[in-house]
Amino acid sequence: NAGVTQTPKFRVLKTGQSMTLLCAQDMNHEYMYWYRQDPGMGLRLIHYSVGEGTTAKGEVPDGYNVSRLKKQNFLLGLESAAPSQTSVYFCASSSGQGYLSKNIQYFGAGTRLSVL
Amino acid sequence: GQQVMQIPQYQHVQEGEDFTTYCNSSTTLSNIQWYKQRPGGHPVFLIQLVKSGEVKKQKRLTFQFGEAKKNSSLHITATQTTDVGTYFCAGDLGGYNKLIFGAGTRLAVHP
Repeated sequence: NAGVTQTPKFRVLKTGQSMTLLCAQDMNHEYMYWYRQDPGMGLRLIHYSVGEGTTAKGEVPDGYNVSRLKKQNFLLGLESAAPSQTSVYFCASSSGQGYLSKNIQYFGAGTRLSVL
Repeated sequence: GQQVMQIPQYQHVQEGEDFTTYCNSSTTLSNIQWYKQRPGGHPVFLIQLVKSGEVKKQKRLTFQFGEAKKNSSLHITATQTTDVGTYFCAGDLGGYNKLIFGAGTRLAVHP
């Protein structure tokens, strides 16, 4: 059972470069999320999606774009990377169904990104 | 905006001592969830509390949800080195398709 898979696991970028982080889930979940985690800051929501073709801004969306063209995939793009975007990025998904269980989140292993 | 405050930020205990982390929400919650993140790992769902005043146990871990559904706690009895990690609470406001995570409490256990 793969669950939530993130690629790549590590990446080093130079300032101004662009990249896309891929998240794939095989649980047929409706909801998907992108978070960044910085020391002492907990998990901050960047963007999220409640279904194929839909996206919404989270707490810290600036400098990032997302797309959800297929239900199982959620892409996070950095158009022009900045050192402030050095972080660990986590993708998560939740079923979106069931009153109590719809928001229980399952996380991927994370992507460690350094922007020099 | 809505916030979930979690304290302490860091706790260092000797193996065998107890540990407690607390969460407080500025808004009444529909339910609250707890996650654990081992060092170098990713957050993993532990439990969900739904009812006012609810108490749930998982072996040495006891989770409580306040009567007003605005606060919660996680208590670990007789910590072990396997308890090391960061514990996050996450509030579900209900009607929203996302959670509000606390900043986490990092637990260090010294043998």
